Amino acid sequence: DIVMTQSPGSLAVSLGERATINCKSSQSVLYSSNNKNYLAWYQQKSGQPPKLLIYWASTRESGVPDRFSGSGSGTDFTLTISSLQAEDVAVYYCQQYYSSPYSFGQGTKLEIK
Amino acid sequence: QVQLQESGPGLVKPSETLSLTCTVSGYSISNGYYWGWIRQPPGKGLEWIGSIYHSGSTYYNPSLKSRVTISVDTSKNQFSLKLSSVTAADTAIYYCTRGEDWFDPWGQGTLVTVSS
Repeated sequence: DIVMTQSPGSLAVSLGERATINCKSSQSVLYSSNNKNYLAWYQQKSGQPPKLLIYWASTRESGVPDRFSGSGSGTDFTLTISSLQAEDVAVYYCQQYYSSPYSFGQGTKLEIK
Repeated sequence: QVQLQESGPGLVKPSETLSLTCTVSGYSISNGYYWGWIRQPPGKGLEWIGSIYHSGSTYYNPSLKSRVTISVDTSKNQFSLKLSSVTAADTAIYYCTRGEDWFDPWGQGTLVTVSS
């Protein structure tokens, strides 16, 4: 099974500043035949279900603000929020869909400093 | 706009079977996609339980496979989860969702508590 590890566990960032969340997989999630990374990012606000932000490691879902971006390849990935807004307070999860059982990181709690 | 809604008992006794149904609106399950269940213990992370295709083909998380059954009823545009022999460790918010790679959209979730 692929284990997903996120860091940090929690993060406090000032409004307008950059927030960076890391995700590491225990084995590569890059599929060589199509050169795609099988990784997604979700945002979960308090009391709500997770919301898809990014898939294929760097493709933003329709309607997601462009301050959210994903990067990385292989085993190391990053979610960046370029300029933190108050509505970005949430827990963020990465998820691999390279192989079953699909697995999530433990989450990173993002707060305002 | 695709919407999903979970329904079922919020309280299940230990050793009994948890049963939930997800009703899909805005999209016909028969048209494709995988449909799945994910759970989240209170205050904790997300665990994929399993998924089903409209044809009935399923795949489950091996950690739960011996206790899980997911089925689909295309005539009602619903799919269901059964989890047998539940314990307190199965207390969680259960979400239904669409997808076989990433998951989107998600239902609002339903809290199921296992307690006598």
